[in-house]
Amino acid sequence: DAKTTQPTSMDCAEGRAANLPCNHSTISGNEYVYWYRQIHSQGPQYIIHGLKNNETNEMASLIITEDRKSSTLILPHATLRDTAVYYCIVTGSNYQLIWGAGTKLIIKP
Amino acid sequence: NAGVTQTPKFRILKIGQSMTLQCTQDMNHNYMYWYRQDPGMGLKLIYYSVGAGITDKGEVPNGYNVSRSTTEDFPLRLELAAPSQTSVYFCASSLYSRGNTGELFFGEGSRLTVL
Repeated sequence: DAKTTQPTSMDCAEGRAANLPCNHSTISGNEYVYWYRQIHSQGPQYIIHGLKNNETNEMASLIITEDRKSSTLILPHATLRDTAVYYCIVTGSNYQLIWGAGTKLIIKP
Repeated sequence: NAGVTQTPKFRILKIGQSMTLQCTQDMNHNYMYWYRQDPGMGLKLIYYSVGAGITDKGEVPNGYNVSRSTTEDFPLRLELAAPSQTSVYFCASSLYSRGNTGELFFGEGSRLTVL
């Protein structure tokens, strides 16, 4: 599976959009981009995933560049409850998901 | 649906003891996983299973064993516990289809301390 690179930490003001970047320059054609988050020490929670097209659900939007080498997770109106560690993972038919250290997102009032 | 249920939530072991972490899912998922997470780090895959009777090693399998006799259950066995196995353990399941692992559903975690 391709590796991902994310910033260690980010801040965002409450009510603003939080944009979390992820680089996955070695992604192959059949690999998906998944985003999860982990609040405090709970089990990770699925947010969204995509292959080529941009995706949106009730939690977030996922923007994937045309060359698929990077993506951005967008939380449109961040709240204090969105403070968490966000993981970007690339996965395909290989089920050995490689989890990095993620981005610690802090939402400030 | 209860989702993925792990027991126990907390456990303290002495060096050399053995124990089993239990994991059950009620979503009829074919794939199940065991991860460990050390402080400030991402998850590392210990073992996974693609269906009943089929298991395989992940990144960090040493000191652990698994079995999958049913679709629902995927217990993780720690033999001869060592301080290096102090960690938080997460069980997860997913429905694999069309070359994609699918969304992983996680349990609440089992916090293990080996003294």
